[in-house]
Amino acid sequence: DGGITQSPKYLFRKEGQNVTLSCEQNLNHDAMYWYRQDPGQGLRLIYYSQIVNDFQKGDIAEGYSVSREKKESFPLTVTSAQKNPTAFYLCASTGRTGGNYGYTFGSGTRLTVV
Amino acid sequence: GIQVEQSPPDLILQEGANSTLRCNFSDSVNNLQWFHQNPWGQLINLFYIPSGTKQNGRLSATTVATERYSLLYISSSQTTDSGVYFCAVPLNTGTASKLTFGTGTRLQVTL
Repeated sequence: DGGITQSPKYLFRKEGQNVTLSCEQNLNHDAMYWYRQDPGQGLRLIYYSQIVNDFQKGDIAEGYSVSREKKESFPLTVTSAQKNPTAFYLCASTGRTGGNYGYTFGSGTRLTVV
Repeated sequence: GIQVEQSPPDLILQEGANSTLRCNFSDSVNNLQWFHQNPWGQLINLFYIPSGTKQNGRLSATTVATERYSLLYISSSQTTDSGVYFCAVPLNTGTASKLTFGTGTRLQVTL
């Protein structure tokens, strides 16, 4: 079945460490996204990518970095510069059919700073 | 940017009851999406509804773009309907569609 795989499901990070969250899709979608969700809040866009080797900042990109070396993969690095990284991180991809962008989300990674 | 507000923030229903969730947006939009996030965090796309009404089983959605709101109706609610319902406004750019989410309505359906 086609879908998005995020790993790990749970991640614990010490202060000052960088961590990388994995996101892989086998939907042949061009665009991929990273969203952050805090308790009781909606999702906010961190980064997105429309094509291999290209990515754009979203609304809250500070303290994060991404790469898009393959169409299927869009890893997110949470750097030590991110002041409050504890959150639920969701990866998504879209396939475009006419004017309709069908969103598929992964099951998320819950990151906790210890 | 566009502001998206949802109401009510929390809703508790007995199984079998009906409910209406509301989404207001601050500017004109070309489209609107509704999502359901289950208690384990998985987000599922429910409706892609720029205007008019769509129905899918016990769920239906109506968007009145000229008045800047959308409604999600849940009829004969079941415990599996529990979770958080989000509306989101897309901003399409090239092959990407960036979403601005509301803060959600948390629904709990009890027996």
